[in-house]
Amino acid sequence: SQTIHQWPATLVQPVGSPLSLECTVEGTSNPNLYWYRQAAGRGLQLLFYSVGIGQISSEVPQNLSASRPQDRQFILSSKKLLLSDSGFYLCAWSRQTDQPQHFGDGTRLSIL
Amino acid sequence: AQKVTQAQTEISVVEKEDVTLDCVYETRDTTYYLFWYKQPPSGELVFLIRRNSFDEQNEISGRYSWNFQKSTSSFNFTITASQVVDSAVYFCALAYGNKLVFGAGTILRVKS
Repeated sequence: SQTIHQWPATLVQPVGSPLSLECTVEGTSNPNLYWYRQAAGRGLQLLFYSVGIGQISSEVPQNLSASRPQDRQFILSSKKLLLSDSGFYLCAWSRQTDQPQHFGDGTRLSIL
Repeated sequence: AQKVTQAQTEISVVEKEDVTLDCVYETRDTTYYLFWYKQPPSGELVFLIRRNSFDEQNEISGRYSWNFQKSTSSFNFTITASQVVDSAVYFCALAYGNKLVFGAGTILRVKS
């Protein structure tokens, strides 16, 4: 069976510090991978998605970047965090576009 | 443009009441896929159902049922005999390209 791991679960970072959130998928190959952000009490905002190694599509211009160094690894990064980067970050995978996306447990990021 | 509207921001019911969550979508595609997800207080998104545009049969899974009507572009979700554990945010989504377009979500509060 397939599993998705996302860490850390919670993170508190000062403004201006770097960020690296990691997501890995097990039990499948060549998945579509996604990063979402959810502000408190709001809906899901798609940040990045990837259909293959090294292929990254950005949905919203922002302070963040994503990379896919390996088939089942998806990393969300920032060089300098802003207060507005606070939120709940979710990683997801799917086999194909029309298939369900399966989500990790999320990372709660607080910027101080 | 693809769009999903969940007009109900928040619904409160008393346990054992039936509740329907509305979802209206917009798409120009003739083949499309719709989804429902549940986000409990713990934060992870749980996949509930996937429906393609060619299958208009209603679906029932235990206390959950879904009513898909292409004529009104709606994909509504009904919980029968609601329970406190049903309290969550529910998202409707539409597959588009390599992505899912999510509605803003409906907060369901079930009181004992």
